[in-house]
Amino acid sequence: GENVEQHPSTLSVQEGDSAVIKCTYSDSASNYFPWYKQELGKGPQLIIDIRSNVGEKKDQRIAVTLNKTAKHFSLHITETQPEDSAVYFCAATLSGNQFYFGTGTSLTVIP
Amino acid sequence: NAGVTQTPKFRVLKTGQSMTLLCAQDMNHEYMYWYRQDPGMGLRLIHYSVGEGTTAKGEVPDGYNVSRLKKQNFLLGLESAAPSQTSVYFCASSPWGQQNTEAFFGQGTRLTVV
Repeated sequence: GENVEQHPSTLSVQEGDSAVIKCTYSDSASNYFPWYKQELGKGPQLIIDIRSNVGEKKDQRIAVTLNKTAKHFSLHITETQPEDSAVYFCAATLSGNQFYFGTGTSLTVIP
Repeated sequence: NAGVTQTPKFRVLKTGQSMTLLCAQDMNHEYMYWYRQDPGMGLRLIHYSVGEGTTAKGEVPDGYNVSRLKKQNFLLGLESAAPSQTSVYFCASSPWGQQNTEAFFGQGTRLTVV
């Protein structure tokens, strides 16, 4: 199977600063890398994803980068806002939509 | 559009009791999954299904059984609950496609076994 490691486990930033969360994966066959945001008491929701044939993807204040050679991918949130406070999960996906999740990062944005 | 619906949302069980968690999706997705979420351990796959009538084991299947008799429903059963099964359980579904794609999650079921 796949093994996904995620760092850091907790992250606090001042409002307006940037936040970066990093993940590594073990199986070079993984080809789809989604990022999920989980707010308190809710299920995870997709915020951005990237496929293995793309190196970077951006959606407003959120961007994801992928380095296939090094087997790591990162989530970048710029101009953070209090509503960005949540738990973020990365995942690596093998064929057949098998999702392997990281252990999560609890992000706190301090107003 | 309801998406993925889990019932119940909360449940307290005594050790040894049994129960079934129900997941229903209205998106006509082929794949369905059951995860458990524990502090510091992320989301761990219990069982999954790639289509009606099929099920397979995930990372942590012991103590659980599943059934997918209808495409839109995926049931998770605990035959004899143990305190170690205290967790938040999430159901998810995703469509079949030539490329892997997004999984949609339910709101979760918080289960406490005392």
